Amino acid sequence: AQKVTQAQTEISVVEKEDVTLDCVYETRDTTYYLFWYKQPPSGELVFLIRRNSFDEQNEISGRYSWNFQKSTSSFNFTITASQVVDSAVYFCALSAGYIPTFGRGTSLIVHP
Amino acid sequence: DVKVTQSSRYLVKRTGEKVFLECVQDMDHENMFWYRQDPGLGLRLIYFSYDVKMKEKGDIPEGYSVSREKKERFSLILESASTNQTSMYLCASSTPGLISGNTIYFGEGSWLTVV
Repeated sequence: AQKVTQAQTEISVVEKEDVTLDCVYETRDTTYYLFWYKQPPSGELVFLIRRNSFDEQNEISGRYSWNFQKSTSSFNFTITASQVVDSAVYFCALSAGYIPTFGRGTSLIVHP
Repeated sequence: DVKVTQSSRYLVKRTGEKVFLECVQDMDHENMFWYRQDPGLGLRLIYFSYDVKMKEKGDIPEGYSVSREKKERFSLILESASTNQTSMYLCASSTPGLISGNTIYFGEGSWLTVV
């Protein structure tokens, strides 16, 4: 069975603060993929990143960075210098086959 | 760009009505999904389909059915809408197997209110 835990239900920060969204996963598969999605108030889930289980290299994309650590089964997402436009619900997901498992999401509110 | 289009963004239906939510994808994806999203519960899978005319139940199929007559189209049907089906419904699609990493692409969602 697969499980994804996003323990932070809601995070509130002030613009320009750095913020980290936590994601912890459980799986018995050795080959799997991890994802992050962003859901702005408009509703559509937007794909942000995919990482496979054999690639633990951290990734940076502009103000976004991801830290994948198999030793702790975590795939955390950091936003540097947050902006109001980053306000959204963020979902972490795990996939080892047809059906991905999603976490319950973390609502990020960035205040001006 | 991958495009998953849901036919209705906002719907208001009466209890007992039959409701159709339509979804079309333009990437020739084999897999299609219907999720329901409720506050505090995250995304819950209702049904998915891995091929035309093939379907599998997800975590919460009760009260729903689906239809996939063409590869690009996946319909969610509420046979007799009830107020507890008021929710946001998300359609998604993906390629099969691990080669592509099963990246799932979502539509914009359909907000359904049953009164």
